Amino acid sequence: DAGITQSPRHKVTETGTPVTLRCHQTENHRYMYWYRQDPGHGLRLIHYSYGVKDTDKGEVSDGYSVSRSKTEDFLLTLESATSSQTSVYFCAISRSGGTDNSPLHFGNGTRLTVT
Amino acid sequence: QQQVKQSPQSLIVQKGGISIINCAYENTAFDYFPWYQQFPGKGPALLIAIRPDVSEKKEGRFTISFNKSAKQFSLHIMDSQPGDSATYFCAASWANRDDKIIFGKGTRLHILP
Repeated sequence: DAGITQSPRHKVTETGTPVTLRCHQTENHRYMYWYRQDPGHGLRLIHYSYGVKDTDKGEVSDGYSVSRSKTEDFLLTLESATSSQTSVYFCAISRSGGTDNSPLHFGNGTRLTVT
Repeated sequence: QQQVKQSPQSLIVQKGGISIINCAYENTAFDYFPWYQQFPGKGPALLIAIRPDVSEKKEGRFTISFNKSAKQFSLHIMDSQPGDSATYFCAASWANRDDKIIFGKGTRLHILP
């Protein structure tokens, strides 16, 4: 699985509580991504990072924040979880941006349930 | 304009048959078209990819057909096997856009034994 570890693998939390998901890589890849996967919507980009402390928004970034203080770690935070954020969250890494010769490698996901 | 439209949403094929999944795009700046395969409980993994300067790419039983003028590409799985049962995502991206790999909504493929 390309040296990607997501933690936790499963989490149940209550509406309004903060939640942090962690992605750790051992590949020293520059790019890291957070996606959410929902039935009927496929994979949607939340935030991505192109280097330490360099991050940018994806198409569904509202309600989420990220941080990357080290090459190997990319954190996704839900400041105040809502039921609409119940989803499976995937971290992905890429050497140079998901293009030719640099595909995305995904972790095995975190299933988050907000009650 | 940045969407990748994928069809069908789900597909059932008999063992040994041909599975065909189709995708269409609008943005002619896309220059890389990968397909990802996802098994239950796992993250997607790159299956096969093509660039627009070729019309077909084959890897084992998996073939991508690419029609640049129609802005369409498709995945063909020959001699489909139960182990091919998975969700398949087409995608498109282009150079000089760090964030821009756009995924289709996925096709759940089930191969009947």
